[in-house]
Amino acid sequence: GAVVSQHPSWVICKSGTSVKIECRSLDFQATTMFWYRQFPKQSLMLMATSNEGSKATYEQGVEKDKFLINHASLTLSTLTVTSAHPEDSSFYICSARGGLAGGTYEQYFGPGTRLTVT
Amino acid sequence: QQQVKQSPQSLIVQKGGISIINCAYENTAFDYFPWYQQFPGKGPALLIAIRPDVSEKKEGRFTISFNKSAKQFSLHIMDSQPGDSATYFCAASIRGGTALIFGKGTTLSVSS
Repeated sequence: GAVVSQHPSWVICKSGTSVKIECRSLDFQATTMFWYRQFPKQSLMLMATSNEGSKATYEQGVEKDKFLINHASLTLSTLTVTSAHPEDSSFYICSARGGLAGGTYEQYFGPGTRLTVT
Repeated sequence: QQQVKQSPQSLIVQKGGISIINCAYENTAFDYFPWYQQFPGKGPALLIAIRPDVSEKKEGRFTISFNKSAKQFSLHIMDSQPGDSATYFCAASIRGGTALIFGKGTTLSVSS
């Protein structure tokens, strides 16, 4: 089956620093990837949609200058949290859209990255 | 505006029982309805999905029932096991190609 990896799985950083999270589709090409954020005991909230070779589309209320998304290849998208603050501490999850099969696209989720800002 | 409403928020079921989780959607453009299972500290994993051209889909102990006119769909877990204890999310999108809109989740506990 299709596999999506994320790196790192867990990161602690100091307030004011930047952190980069990688999302890779290991055995398929993903023209579209999605970034979600999940707070404890809450649902996944879409942050942005990332298309290979173009600018990401951010959801309302998500600061594009704070959460930089780059999708430079068909297998890699990165999320950089710039000038991180404690309120950015969360679980960040990416998903990658696979090919069209039976009229439907499958979406495959990564294992998530736990970010803690101190 | 919450586009996918999920209930109940939490559910306790005895081992061997049936777990039922319900979702309702508002956007009639949605035509792909997956259910995801998530364990603490892990990403969500696809359990089963349905499209509106069928009213029911079964895979092992998991069944989705779909009511297009009522804009509702539900997940039934038969013979629930302690290993099924997790958080379950329903979701919706357009052909799976757009971002998934998630329900708020249901925490299932199966007691042995």
